[in-house]
Amino acid sequence: GNSVTQMEGPVTLSEEAFLTINCTYTATGYPSLFWYVQYPGEGLQLLLKATKADDKGSNKGFEATYRKETTSFHLEKGSVQVSDSAVYFCALGRSTLTFGKGTMLLVSP
Amino acid sequence: ETGVTQTPRHLVMGMTNKKSLKCEQHLGHNAMYWYKQSAKKPLELMFVYNFKEQTENNSVPSRFSPECPNSSHLFLHLHTLQPEDSALYLCASSQEGIGGASNEKLFFGSGTQLSVL
Repeated sequence: GNSVTQMEGPVTLSEEAFLTINCTYTATGYPSLFWYVQYPGEGLQLLLKATKADDKGSNKGFEATYRKETTSFHLEKGSVQVSDSAVYFCALGRSTLTFGKGTMLLVSP
Repeated sequence: ETGVTQTPRHLVMGMTNKKSLKCEQHLGHNAMYWYKQSAKKPLELMFVYNFKEQTENNSVPSRFSPECPNSSHLFLHLHTLQPEDSALYLCASSQEGIGGASNEKLFFGSGTQLSVL
């Protein structure tokens, strides 16, 4: 079956630091890969996605590349802001999504 | 604002109570979902409704009973819950439902934070 493994949080960074949140997966077939973000008190929102190997998804300065050879979809951002503080979920699938446990990001001024 | 509204935002109930969670979407979507979010665990898919028909029930205990009267509304009826059922319950919708090409993007509500005493 499908599964997603994310790095444990919280990830604590200072503003303008570089961010990497690791995500690896196991899957049958060729699923799409996603990053969702959950801000405090809200539901999840789609941040970015990639539908096939070597695709790069990007949005709001975040990006992730679908790496089939390493079964990874790591999330990166060059310079984080306080407003990026949230929980980030890696997910995969087609008809239904399989989510990871989520990684909390805390950015301090 | 994602177009998916859940009520109530918070709910405290005893183990013998009966309550219902409500979800409403105004996006014209054909699929609706219930997820359970517990601390330090992956999001758990509970139920899927596709064109008002239940298409998935991921081994959810019978004390949780979903209802989808139309494509815009989804309920989760709760009775005789256990303390371990305390969690954030998230409703989501997607455009085409199971097997559709554009069903990959889920729109989530803000959730109902449930505490079972």
